[in-house]
Amino acid sequence: NAGVTQTPKFRVLKTGQSMTLLCAQDMNHEYMYWYRQDPGMGLRLIHYSVGEGTTAKGEVPDGYNVSRLKKQNFLLGLESAAPSQTSVYFCASSYSMGLAGSDEQFFGPGTRLTVL
Amino acid sequence: EDQVTQSPEALRLQEGESSSLNCSYTVSGLRGLFWYRQDPGKGPEFLFTLYSAGEEKEKERLKATLTKKESFLHITAPKPEDSATYLCAVQAVGGSRLTFGEGTQLTVNP
Repeated sequence: NAGVTQTPKFRVLKTGQSMTLLCAQDMNHEYMYWYRQDPGMGLRLIHYSVGEGTTAKGEVPDGYNVSRLKKQNFLLGLESAAPSQTSVYFCASSYSMGLAGSDEQFFGPGTRLTVL
Repeated sequence: EDQVTQSPEALRLQEGESSSLNCSYTVSGLRGLFWYRQDPGKGPEFLFTLYSAGEEKEKERLKATLTKKESFLHITAPKPEDSATYLCAVQAVGGSRLTFGEGTQLTVNP
């Protein structure tokens, strides 16, 4: 059981370049999330998905797009990277979002992105 | 707007010196309060969920408690391997996301 995996682990982009971060989970979880973590800001939700084929905006969605074509995968895209998007990105998944005892989120190891 | 404030920002303890971390929150209606542990360079690791005031949960040297305004993470006789950043998060009733605090960085010296 690999849990939640993220690809790549590190990436350096130039301003204006695009990239896609891949998240995969093997726990058959319905819910998946993308967060960014910045010093002094804590973890902030970018986008999330409540099931295959669905996506929704989180707290800081601007500049990002997501897709959930398969239940086990959740992709985060940056169409035109900006220095303000330099951050550590975490993917997470959960079995439910409101059922006590099964709503804990499991996090991946993170992707460290630098935009020059 | 949901808010989570954790204190202190950083805490240094000697091995065996018990202490508590605080998580104060404001939320329209609490559905759950979550504690996570995060080691440097890694993703957060789930510790506890608390759902109602008065609830307590324990895991090894950690004990989490919940009131209507705050949660405490008590660490009893900590060991150096307990060194990490501890994150608190809340989820509102009917809400779809967790609101995280900035964390408390705990260092336990041998």
